[in-house]
Amino acid sequence: GAVVSQHPSRVICKSGTSVKIECRSLDFQATTMFWYRQFPKKSLMLMATSNEGSKATYEQGVEKDKFLINHASLTLSTLTVTSAHPEDSSFYICSAREGRSEAFFGQGTRLTVV
Amino acid sequence: AQSVTQLGSHVSVSEGALVLLRCNYSSSVPPYLFWYVQYPNQGLQLLLKYTSAATLVKGINGFEAEFKKSETSFHLTKPSAHMSDAAEYFCAVSDRGQGNLIFGKGTKLSVKP
Repeated sequence: GAVVSQHPSRVICKSGTSVKIECRSLDFQATTMFWYRQFPKKSLMLMATSNEGSKATYEQGVEKDKFLINHASLTLSTLTVTSAHPEDSSFYICSAREGRSEAFFGQGTRLTVV
Repeated sequence: AQSVTQLGSHVSVSEGALVLLRCNYSSSVPPYLFWYVQYPNQGLQLLLKYTSAATLVKGINGFEAEFKKSETSFHLTKPSAHMSDAAEYFCAVSDRGQGNLIFGKGTKLSVKP
């Protein structure tokens, strides 16, 4: 199947700093990318959907200015958590799809804000 | 609106026993249905999916699921559990046109020796 690479797999940052998470499609053109957040012992919650070259569409309750999503190319989307706080600590997962085909998931990023 | 309900947040079976993980969905349109597996601190791996072809879907690692429209169910089964099956399992539904997935809360499967 297609490969989606997410980097870094783990990151620890200080409160107040920003951290960027990358999501790359390695062998297909990701026209759409999705960003999910997973809380401990809870399901994955969709944060936003981004189409290449367009602004991301955020789900209700997700702060656009805090979670900046850029999808500037067909192989790369980034999620930047700005001014991170401990409550932003979570597992973030991206997925990508080409057209209307199946979406493939990245390995996830464990963010810890101290 | 679409939703997924997974009955049982934790299922424990003995090695070699039948695995049954339950999933019921709600959708106003014909759905696509998925089962994913997640190992600790990893992303999601697709086990199988239903996309309106055969109602009995076979996936990887010996898993299969049956789409039952009358029961709005898509339960996951495996005849004989292996220790390596211990993981978190998520059922998901998507609107065929929209593509983003709505996930259930997950079921943690434990396999006892």
